[in-house]
Amino acid sequence: DTVLTQSPALAVSPGERVSISCRASEGVNSYMHWYQQKPGQQPKLLIYKASNLASGVPARFSGSGSGTDFTLTIDPVEADDTATYFCQQSWNDPRTFGGGTKLELK
Amino acid sequence: EVQLVESGGGLVQPGASLKLSCVASGFTFSDYWMSWVRQTPGKTMEWIGDIKYDGSYTNYAPSLKNRFTISRDNAKSTLYLQMSNVRSEDTATYYCTREAYYGYKSYFDYWGQGVMVTVSS
Repeated sequence: DTVLTQSPALAVSPGERVSISCRASEGVNSYMHWYQQKPGQQPKLLIYKASNLASGVPARFSGSGSGTDFTLTIDPVEADDTATYFCQQSWNDPRTFGGGTKLELK
Repeated sequence: EVQLVESGGGLVQPGASLKLSCVASGFTFSDYWMSWVRQTPGKTMEWIGDIKYDGSYTNYAPSLKNRFTISRDNAKSTLYLQMSNVRSEDTATYYCTREAYYGYKSYFDYWGQGVMVTVSS
């Protein structure tokens, strides 16, 4: 299975720029997607196919990367962005998820 | 508004069976592939499998293929997950998701609120 590795946690101040990384154990083309999960809620799609913003998602969120290295960027970070962010690949079977990066606001 | 509402979870004994349901609304259910995804108490996410829009094809994660079965009833806009011979490691929140396609690979564009399954004696 394709293993997706994310840093466990990040802490940033409101107004700053933050980059959340996801590294795949093998190439996934550009089929990497990002989800936001707030405590007690279901995941919500943010970015699909590496860099496409999902409907209704603020332009503060952006995605980049291809192959094995991908980044989700939030600029500027707002207090409401406190959540866990998951990457997920759909290029290789079975589809797999990263372990999630918990974003905390200072 | 797209809505996915899961039900059927609860406390179940090891070795037992359980069937989860997901009622969809706000879109034409029979037009979409659907998936089940689970999240363990430690927050690990795992894709279980999916089913083609007409129910004619299913695809599973190899580790779960022998115990889990996905089906659907398009007349009722309902997705199902039949779990058999459950184990403690099946304890998780189970999400129903809708798949959207970009090219010929999909992603999960809508998620239900999830249903908790606890396997314990």
